Amino acid sequence: AQTVTQSQPEMSVQEAETVTLSCTYDTSESDYYLFWYKQPPSRQMILVIRQEAYKQQNATENRFSVNFQKAAKSFSLKISDSQLGDAAMYFCAYRSTFYGQNFVFGPGTRLSVLP
Amino acid sequence: DTEVTQTPKHLVMGMTNKKSLKCEQHMGHRAMYWYKQKAKKPPELMFVYSYEKLSINESVPSRFSPECPNSSLLNLHLHALQPEDSALYLCASSQENGGGGLTDTQYFGPGTRLTVL
Repeated sequence: AQTVTQSQPEMSVQEAETVTLSCTYDTSESDYYLFWYKQPPSRQMILVIRQEAYKQQNATENRFSVNFQKAAKSFSLKISDSQLGDAAMYFCAYRSTFYGQNFVFGPGTRLSVLP
Repeated sequence: DTEVTQTPKHLVMGMTNKKSLKCEQHMGHRAMYWYKQKAKKPPELMFVYSYEKLSINESVPSRFSPECPNSSLLNLHLHALQPEDSALYLCASSQENGGGGLTDTQYFGPGTRLTVL
């Protein structure tokens, strides 16, 4: 079974600075999807970024980018120019490409943004 | 439009009550999910409906009863709940290819905060 680990329960960053959240996973599959979701105190889970394992190029969405290291099974999220609205719980998630398989979530990292 | 809506936002119920949670999406997604989330924890999968058929039940107690009346709607009927069932209940949907192999992003609703007294 796949597992997802986020080794940083809490992190903080100064406004306008850059922060990197770590995620590692364990799988024997060669093709899969990885996601970062953000859950602010308003509680809605919002997709931040998505990566397909067969693509070597790292995904980017505006201020959010990932460092996907397939051999190391690492999928870190970099937030540039941090904003107060980035404060949230961030969950890393894995999904197999096999039909019927579902998300495996990591335990989450709580990010605080300091003004 | 990537919106999933859930009603009500908050629900307080006694252990003998019967209530229902509702989820709706109009993205044409064919898979819908119920998750339970405790504070500071990741969501835990409860049920999956694929093409309006229950495909996964993660050993959820029978006091939770899901229903998928059509491809846009998902209900969760609650009866005789326990205080430990108090949590945030999240609905999600995704576009699944019934032919197998193609998965997609799950889009989540804002959740229903359930308190059982």
